[in-house]
Amino acid sequence: GQQVMQIPQYQHVQEGEDFTTYCNSSTTLSNIQWYKQRPGGHPVFLIQLVKSGEVKKQKRLTFQFGEAKKNSSLHITATQTTDVGTYFCATLIYNQGGKLIFGQGTELSVKP
Amino acid sequence: EAQVTQNPRYLITVTGKKLTVTCSQNMNHEYMSWYRQDPGLGLRQIYYSMNVEVTDKGDVPEGYKVSRKEKRNFPLILESPSPNQTSLYFCASRTGAGGELFFGEGSRLTVL
Repeated sequence: GQQVMQIPQYQHVQEGEDFTTYCNSSTTLSNIQWYKQRPGGHPVFLIQLVKSGEVKKQKRLTFQFGEAKKNSSLHITATQTTDVGTYFCATLIYNQGGKLIFGQGTELSVKP
Repeated sequence: EAQVTQNPRYLITVTGKKLTVTCSQNMNHEYMSWYRQDPGLGLRQIYYSMNVEVTDKGDVPEGYKVSRKEKRNFPLILESPSPNQTSLYFCASRTGAGGELFFGEGSRLTVL
């Protein structure tokens, strides 16, 4: 079945450093979603990308969807302690009842 | 306030003792789903429902049952819990076949 691989599994950064997590698939994706889960919390939707080469920004967060629609990235500029959490990518499989398949997640810790 | 409500939030039980985790959403969403989250495995779908009286298996349905008798409710039933069902469970909902998935706050289940 369709899978999305996410790397790295963990990332420790100093506050103010940049952070990037990558999501890769061996097959073409129709879309990619990104979620953030704070420690002890639940996943919260950040964004959805559907177009080849699409780039979207939310303040310090930049989301990209690859030209071949097989990979995506989330980049955070100048991390803050409020960015701590696990970031998941996910892809929606429309012909399987709209199943959302998640990557394993990248856990970000930020040292003040 | 738009939300997905799960109960109980925490539960410790013993092998074989039937339990139900309730899930209710107040957003009139057609689609509802259950996920379990385990370290290193990300979020895996257990069951989903496209609408009332329509349910289908996800990736890890063994040992679980669901029902969708009303649009707002989607309970998860463990008929005979086993220790390998110790996990963090999330209920989620969305409107239609795609888009943002709204998660409940999670139910942490321990089976001894």
